[in-house]
Amino acid sequence: EVQLVESGGGLVQPGGSLRLFCEASGFTFSSFSMSWVRQAPGKGLEWVSAISGSGGSTFIADSVKGRFTISRDNSKNTVYLQMNSLRAEDAAVYYCAKMEIPFDHWGQGTLVTVSS
Amino acid sequence: SFELTQPPSVSVSPGQTARITCSGYAMPKKYAYWYQQKSGQAPVMVIYEDSKRPSGIPERFSGSNSGTMATLTIRGAQVEDEADYHCYLTDNNGVFGGGTKLTVL
Repeated sequence: EVQLVESGGGLVQPGGSLRLFCEASGFTFSSFSMSWVRQAPGKGLEWVSAISGSGGSTFIADSVKGRFTISRDNSKNTVYLQMNSLRAEDAAVYYCAKMEIPFDHWGQGTLVTVSS
Repeated sequence: SFELTQPPSVSVSPGQTARITCSGYAMPKKYAYWYQQKSGQAPVMVIYEDSKRPSGIPERFSGSNSGTMATLTIRGAQVEDEADYHCYLTDNNGVFGGGTKLTVL
């Protein structure tokens, strides 16, 4: 059974940093791309970033380019999202998703709050 | 990338057919995907590649794609189908539709 467990969310001040984690199990992690998708309170889904199975290719949304970085450690079955220079508009639930087919499995999400 | 338009809300009575549309694109060969998100929960894929159902998704869920509009159909909608539904198209730079709140009562 595919399981994705996010962690690392929390309260951070504007301009601060957070690192999100997504630990995967139940499938051959290194074989599949992974994505981060966020959802602001009461809003729709917004794709944030994606990374290939090997980690050699990464993709980032324009809204977070230059501030967020995706990476993965296939030995730990974990994908990361490093978030710097956080803004109020980055506040959201952040989900990781497996990408065998687009977003075929999702984690339960981790909440990021940006406030002073 | 295309902006994908979904109706903000759809309401049906139990047992009726619910149809949720996703439009705003005009290129063929874009696959449509649909995700169900119940209140306070993570999204779940219910349709992929226009009309295929993942294992465990009830047969009452179906999908179609005309090339300019994708449609999610729930035949015999049940109270437990009440949720937000989000569409997504391939090769659209990660853009999701705005979501549709389905009410079944």
